[in-house]
Amino acid sequence: EAGVAQSPRYKIIEKRQSVAFWCNPISGHATLYWYQQILGQGPKLLIQFQNNGVVDDSQLPKDRFSAERLKGVDSTLKIQPAKLEDSAVYLCASSKPGLAGGEGWRNNEQFFGPGTRLTVL
Amino acid sequence: DQQVKQNSPSLSVQEGRISILNCDYTNSMFDYFLWYKKYPAEGPTFLISISSIKDKNEDGRFTVFLNKSAKHLSLHIVPSQPGDSAVYFCAASVQNYGQNFVFGPGTRLSVLP
Repeated sequence: EAGVAQSPRYKIIEKRQSVAFWCNPISGHATLYWYQQILGQGPKLLIQFQNNGVVDDSQLPKDRFSAERLKGVDSTLKIQPAKLEDSAVYLCASSKPGLAGGEGWRNNEQFFGPGTRLTVL
Repeated sequence: DQQVKQNSPSLSVQEGRISILNCDYTNSMFDYFLWYKKYPAEGPTFLISISSIKDKNEDGRFTVFLNKSAKHLSLHIVPSQPGDSAVYFCAASVQNYGQNFVFGPGTRLSVLP
């Protein structure tokens, strides 16, 4: 089974430039997540999609960040314009719907891609 | 406001000994907890989980203990192997609110041969 694919793996841009990241989840996974991981911190959820609908984007800085999953499969995350503090690893994860409650949540395990390391100069 | 804390940024243990990684949380609504393991240049991978209806879950060399009254969980690795050297993240969620996990900052484990 192919894992979560992300590209590019590395990106260096100057502040105020735009950047886009791409994610292709595991086939059949309806739920897709974008996380931001700043050095020394744990991943922080930016946005969660269920198929092509947004479930949670409460922590997405909407003045500069946008994400879409138009056909309910792959997704793009965009930053425009970038700031120095956006330097981080951007992780994409996917999961399939599972049973709620108890150990049934084990079926909702999130599978992560390798991430895109963004450096803003 | 850090809802999930891992107060030890790093830990070194000798091969064959026990590794104990700790995690504390502040939100009493959390009822499902996971540990993820991360190697450099890779995404985190799921290791083990526990729901609040249990106080212990075991999978091979890995055991997670949950103390709800103390809002504390720990991951035990016995015996530790050099391949276990990685960053370990604790994550927590409220099941009825879906799969929105809150991650701790991670603990870097080094297992010395």
